[in-house]
Amino acid sequence: DAGVTQSPTHLIKTRGQQVTLRCSPKSGHDTVSWYQQALGQGPQFIFQYYEEEERQRGNFPDRFSGHQFPNYSSELNVNALLLGDSALYLCASSRWEAHSGNTIYFGEGSWLTVV
Amino acid sequence: GQQLNQSPQSMFIQEGEDVSMNCTSSSIFNTWLWYKQDPGEGPVLLIALYKAGELTSNGRLTAQFGITRKDSFLNISASIPSDVGIYFCAGQLDYGQNFVFGPGTRLSVLP
Repeated sequence: DAGVTQSPTHLIKTRGQQVTLRCSPKSGHDTVSWYQQALGQGPQFIFQYYEEEERQRGNFPDRFSGHQFPNYSSELNVNALLLGDSALYLCASSRWEAHSGNTIYFGEGSWLTVV
Repeated sequence: GQQLNQSPQSMFIQEGEDVSMNCTSSSIFNTWLWYKQDPGEGPVLLIALYKAGELTSNGRLTAQFGITRKDSFLNISASIPSDVGIYFCAGQLDYGQNFVFGPGTRLSVLP
């Protein structure tokens, strides 16, 4: 049973560039959430995708966008990169539950360094 | 936005000792999750709690969903060196909502 997989694991970009991060959810899961984790902090919610639509969004600018594909995999895109975007980007997968508590499982993350 | 507080921020303990840490909020949550994160890796789910008062164990780990639904506790018994890492709590305000994470408790185990 494959867990949550993310790619790439590490990347370095220059300010102003654009980046795309990818995530495949755990088998049987249909919901993908993206989190940003700065060094020494807890994960911060960016957005959640279900049925190929953005369902919820955290306090992140429009430079952060995403997509979910019919096979439930997802991409996170960040435009016009800033130095402050340097962080670990975590993908979390779950099964959509509207009437009971969720459990979310994380991938290993993608380390983004902006120089 | 919603905030979770975790205490202690960090702790140093001797191998074999028991550990207690907690997570508090001003809001009521309907789900609590506890994770452990090792350096350079993603958080790994330890325990999930879905009901107020619920007490759940996973090996040497025990977590409780506070009666007020505003807090949760994690205990580790007989700590070992591989318990070293950062422990995060996460709360879900309502079903289907995103999870809010605390800032973490950094655990160091001295041999």
